[in-house]
Amino acid sequence: GAVVSQHPSRVICKSGTSVKIECRSLDFQATTMFWYRQFPKQSLMLMATSNEGSKATYEQGVEKDKFLINHASLTLSTLTVTSAHPEDSSFYICSARAFRDLVRNEQFFGPGTRLTVL
Amino acid sequence: TQLLEQSPQFLSIQEGENLTVYCNSSSVFSSLQWYRQEPGEGPVLLVTVVTGGEVKKLKRLTFQFGDARKDSSLHITAAQPGDTGLYLCAGGRSNFGNEKLTFGTGTRLTIIP
Repeated sequence: GAVVSQHPSRVICKSGTSVKIECRSLDFQATTMFWYRQFPKQSLMLMATSNEGSKATYEQGVEKDKFLINHASLTLSTLTVTSAHPEDSSFYICSARAFRDLVRNEQFFGPGTRLTVL
Repeated sequence: TQLLEQSPQFLSIQEGENLTVYCNSSSVFSSLQWYRQEPGEGPVLLVTVVTGGEVKKLKRLTFQFGDARKDSSLHITAAQPGDTGLYLCAGGRSNFGNEKLTFGTGTRLTIIP
């Protein structure tokens, strides 16, 4: 149980285009999903918290108009990188919190999406 | 501000040796998780500890939560090449609601065959 998928696993795009990344909880419902960014050889940096049916909460320094988050259902959250530039190239990872894990505060991670902006 | 410091940052040891990774903070956490991440993949949850002084074992891995719930350690016995990866601790401050996790700085472990 507690499987999270991401699509696509990798994407290469031209500067100025927008890229959408999907995060799905496959065998459980997730009211809360999280989006992280990871630079090479570094730890995870939380970008935003995605809540089903409401606006996402962004971390300080993360542009909400640049990184659009939509959490339309209990199993799907999307991150859209708008007008991508080379500095947006990174490894983006989502995670989901299952209802049963509210007590233990556990998150289950997707496999990540490698974004390369040319 | 990085609230969880891990040490060492890098560790390279021979197969069969023992090792300990530390996760320290000045803040109290209500729960603490340890994850392992391999290159190009997402982190995989290894264990969650919630009680001060709690010790959990997962085969050759032993996890301990500090009495004051400010620190944790991961001890690996007889390390194997399959233990290679990035180890991340993550602390949560609330057991209920949508509290986010604070991730540690990470420990990159390499086991040499």
